[in-house]
Amino acid sequence: NAGVTQTPKFQVLKTGQSMTLQCAQDMNHEYMSWYRQDPGMGLRLIHYSVGAGITDQGEVPNGYNVSRSTTEDFPLRLLSAAPSQTSVYFCASSYVSGDYEQYFGPGTRLTVT
Amino acid sequence: ELKVEQNPLFLSMQEGKNYTIYCNYSTTSDRLYWYRQDPGKSLESLFVLLSNGAVKQEGRLMASLDTKARLSTLHITAAVHDLSATYFCAVDRGTYKYIFGTGTRLKVLA
Repeated sequence: NAGVTQTPKFQVLKTGQSMTLQCAQDMNHEYMSWYRQDPGMGLRLIHYSVGAGITDQGEVPNGYNVSRSTTEDFPLRLLSAAPSQTSVYFCASSYVSGDYEQYFGPGTRLTVT
Repeated sequence: ELKVEQNPLFLSMQEGKNYTIYCNYSTTSDRLYWYRQDPGKSLESLFVLLSNGAVKQEGRLMASLDTKARLSTLHITAAVHDLSATYFCAVDRGTYKYIFGTGTRLKVLA
């Protein structure tokens, strides 16, 4: 049971480039989410999904796209990277019933130059 | 708009002492969570509090929730160095739009 996995661990992009951060979970969780964490701040929700085919915006969605075609995967796409998107990105998942406890992936550290 | 405030933001304490971290939130919310984050690491779930008066304990940490006061506390008993970390609370109004506090950076001095 791998839990929540994220790739890559580190990434450097130039302004204007696009890329996809990968997130997968093997716990059959309905809920998956993406957060960004900036220095000295808490996590801010970017997008989330409560099941395959269902996504919605969080607190800071601009500049990011998501899709959820399977229960297991929830990729985050940066359309045209900007220096303001330099951050650590965390993916998390949980059930949508019970205690809703979220399990977090190890994170992706992204630098945009 | 739901806002979550933690205090203190920084806490330096001696081993063996007790202290409390506070988490205030601005609107009625169904669920409150506490997480721990070690430097350079991911978040680890500590407690999930789902009802008024809920109290949960794990080792030297105890969390409680007062939904009427919109307040949760994380109490540390007889702190040890291994508890040094950043602690976050997060709140959800039942919409899955989690809002996190800015975190409390705890340093336990030997």
